[in-house]
Amino acid sequence: DQQVKQNSPSLSVQEGRISILNCDYTNSMFDYFLWYKKYPAEGPTFLISISSIKDKNEDGRFTVFLNKSAKHLSLHIVPSQPGDSAVYFCAASENNNNDMRFGAGTRLTVKP
Amino acid sequence: EPEVTQTPSHQVTQMGQEVILRCVPISNHLYFYWYRQILGQKVEFLVSFYNNEISEKSEIFDDQFSVERPDGSNFTLKIRSTKLEDSAMYFCASGKGGQTNEKLFFGSGTQLSVL
Repeated sequence: DQQVKQNSPSLSVQEGRISILNCDYTNSMFDYFLWYKKYPAEGPTFLISISSIKDKNEDGRFTVFLNKSAKHLSLHIVPSQPGDSAVYFCAASENNNNDMRFGAGTRLTVKP
Repeated sequence: EPEVTQTPSHQVTQMGQEVILRCVPISNHLYFYWYRQILGQKVEFLVSFYNNEISEKSEIFDDQFSVERPDGSNFTLKIRSTKLEDSAMYFCASGKGGQTNEKLFFGSGTQLSVL
């Protein structure tokens, strides 16, 4: 089951620069997308989400962009901070469906 | 801030044994979930639970799995006869409900090792 794909298992960025994490999906019925952040020994924590009726949602340093025609979304973190180092999961769901599908995750390392 | 708590944090069991993983969701939440993550793989949906019954389950959630909310606060996942491939980190999550696309709050997980 590869409905949600994060093709980059890892990303390394210098502090202060922009981090761009990418996610692709195959199910055109997905209409809600979320990003979760996971630190070691902790459960995923919600970061930011976007509905399919939007193409951008911004929350502080975090912005999610959605390109429905390409079935692609991305998470931008700017400026990146060392505390942002974590595994980032992209997730997607259909309306009225509790079966949220996760990508495999991208490990972000922000170097001081 | 309220949080989802899971116990135990680690569980080691012999193949064929039954295990019960416990979760205390956030008190005013109505929707409860179990996910798992096999080492090195993605987080996978197992089951969702609402109004004392399963609302959805994945193909992973076969007859050896069951969930229960026995006392209004705990939410448990039982694996009847564990297999080696059940070894994974199991995450419980809860949500307020109403909007199924809401953000979920996850516990820290139970690392299950089947020997």
